[in-house]
Amino acid sequence: EPEVTQTPSHQVTQMGQEVILRCVPISNHLYFYWYRQILGQKVEFLVSFYNNEISEKSEIFDDQFSVERPDGSNFTLKIRSTKLEDSAMYFCASSEFVGGDTQYFGPGTRLTVL
Amino acid sequence: AQTVTQSQPEMSVQEAETVTLSCTYDTSESDYYLFWYKQPPSRQMILVIRQEAYKQQNATENRFSVNFQKAAKSFSLKISDSQLGDAAMYFCAYRSAETSGSRLTFGEGTQLTVNP
Repeated sequence: EPEVTQTPSHQVTQMGQEVILRCVPISNHLYFYWYRQILGQKVEFLVSFYNNEISEKSEIFDDQFSVERPDGSNFTLKIRSTKLEDSAMYFCASSEFVGGDTQYFGPGTRLTVL
Repeated sequence: AQTVTQSQPEMSVQEAETVTLSCTYDTSESDYYLFWYKQPPSRQMILVIRQEAYKQQNATENRFSVNFQKAAKSFSLKISDSQLGDAAMYFCAYRSAETSGSRLTFGEGTQLTVNP
């Protein structure tokens, strides 16, 4: 069964450093998403992406964040200058259609900012 | 903005028994989708079941079923014949079908323990 994959599984970085989190969505899916989950808290939406542009973003997704689909398979989330409060689990998801279509999640990347 | 509330931070059930997890939501929209996701210790988010608001029939998926009460804005998950592998954090989520937005809005989660 096709699945969303994410790398790395765990990333440790120093405050102020740039990080890139990588995702490979399900191959026939056209819509891509990033969510984050701070330890012990609910899952929060960051951004959705379709046709090589952001279709929706939350108030969390400020200028420090960017997303890109650099090739036909990868979808990345970049944090330019990490802060301690960026420590969280970051989930990538994809769906075949928009609207009510089910979003399938990857296993997540645990980001630890020291 | 829509909100999703799960009022039970923790629940426990005996193996082979039935348990119901509660979820309520607040929205002014009439067309939307509701989901239950499971998050085991590995922290991967796994879809359990989905419900379209325009459908009156409650969704079922093997041992998992929902009780969708649109007027009450309630969406509970029933797990029958609970198994040890059902132990996980369960999240209720809402998605609008009326706006162009695509975000899922999650509740706080319910930690389910299954006792042998």
